[in-house]
Amino acid sequence: GESVGLHLPTLSVQEGDNSIINCAYSNSASDYFIWYKQESGKGPQFIIDIRSNMDKRQGQRVTVLLNKTVKHLSLQIAATQPGDSAVYFCAETEQAGTALIFGKGTTLSVSS
Amino acid sequence: EAQVTQNPRYLITVTGKKLTVTCSQNMNHEYMSWYRQDPGLGLRQIYYSMNVEVTDKGDVPEGYKVSRKEKRNFPLILESPSPNQTSLYFCASSLGGAYLGPQHFGDGTRLSIL
Repeated sequence: GESVGLHLPTLSVQEGDNSIINCAYSNSASDYFIWYKQESGKGPQFIIDIRSNMDKRQGQRVTVLLNKTVKHLSLQIAATQPGDSAVYFCAETEQAGTALIFGKGTTLSVSS
Repeated sequence: EAQVTQNPRYLITVTGKKLTVTCSQNMNHEYMSWYRQDPGLGLRQIYYSMNVEVTDKGDVPEGYKVSRKEKRNFPLILESPSPNQTSLYFCASSLGGAYLGPQHFGDGTRLSIL
């Protein structure tokens, strides 16, 4: 599957491939991380979250990996489908945080 | 269905004409928040509310007001809109603060200030 080592604004994959979207964060005090999916004309939709006491969490076809040492977060989508085409954002907040800090977003395009 | 509802979805208006964007959630969430989304700048928080009658500024509060008189509603008020407030606005809610669980977003309000 396609993967990117650094954050890239776009990622193009073939249907059925595994996709990996990366996100770097800068605040070492960040304790809670969320991935959102935003389709055209809609608001961000929650995909999966992870707290800093974990390094991996799995959902349905999605896995989030957290590497606190290098302040890096990734979202893995298995067997990517055309319906997965969207902009994906990571977001972070500190313990007792009052706001989510959003990353720049990666546009995932899935071709069949 | 659990949802956050914003109105209007689209609005074109002129500089200086007061407007209100409404936001309502049906999940009994304590925390509500407003964001604006701009190309190249991503989503930035305008105001948030931890509970009824408790509101506070986010990262970009200038030119905006909010109120939280009821738990379910959190309107965003632009007293004297200016062209630099042309943007896509999102309301969000969650059980507690940003740390306690994921925020649920409305589908957005696209404002154009001429």
